[in-house]
Amino acid sequence: GAVVSQHPSWVICKSGTSVKIECRSLDFQATTMFWYRQFPKQSLMLMATSNEGSKATYEQGVEKDKFLINHASLTLSTLTVTSAHPEDSSFYICSARVQGTDTQYFGPGTRLTVL
Amino acid sequence: AQSVTQLGSHVSVSEGALVLLRCNYSSSVPPYLFWYVQYPNQGLQLLLKYTTGATLVKGINGFEAEFKKSETSFHLTKPSAHMSDAAEYFCAVSQRGGTSYGKLTFGQGTILTVHP
Repeated sequence: GAVVSQHPSWVICKSGTSVKIECRSLDFQATTMFWYRQFPKQSLMLMATSNEGSKATYEQGVEKDKFLINHASLTLSTLTVTSAHPEDSSFYICSARVQGTDTQYFGPGTRLTVL
Repeated sequence: AQSVTQLGSHVSVSEGALVLLRCNYSSSVPPYLFWYVQYPNQGLQLLLKYTTGATLVKGINGFEAEFKKSETSFHLTKPSAHMSDAAEYFCAVSQRGGTSYGKLTFGQGTILTVHP
């Protein structure tokens, strides 16, 4: 089946530093990837839509300068949390939509802790 | 705008009992409908989805869901619960087209506990 990986699976960083999270579709091409954020005991909230070769589309209330998204190829999207603060601590999950279909496959998530 | 409501944040059943997780949606047009399962500290796994055709959809692990347009519901069921079914379940919808195509709107999630 379709597999989506995320790296790293967890990261701890100091306040003020930047953290990059990678999302890869391992066995299929994904022109569109989505980034979600999940707070403890809450549902997933869509942050942005990442399209290969174009600028990401951010949901209302999500700071594009803080959460930089780059979709460099049909199998890789990255999310960079810039100048991280403790309130950015969360579980970040990506999904990749199989090209030409409505099916998304989710990565295992990255747990970010900002000290 | 779309929205998803999952009735019951926690559901507890005995092993072997029927599992019923409720999902209602609000959308101007019938959306695509999905059920996902999430195990602790893991991403989401697709259980099943409804896009078109037969309204009773069968998924993995013995789960199924029925799309009822008149009730705007997409409840998830399983005849006999296993201990391994204990997890959090999310209902989600997405638009069939337009600029929001593919964007998932999730319900609040339902934690399923299975007792021996």
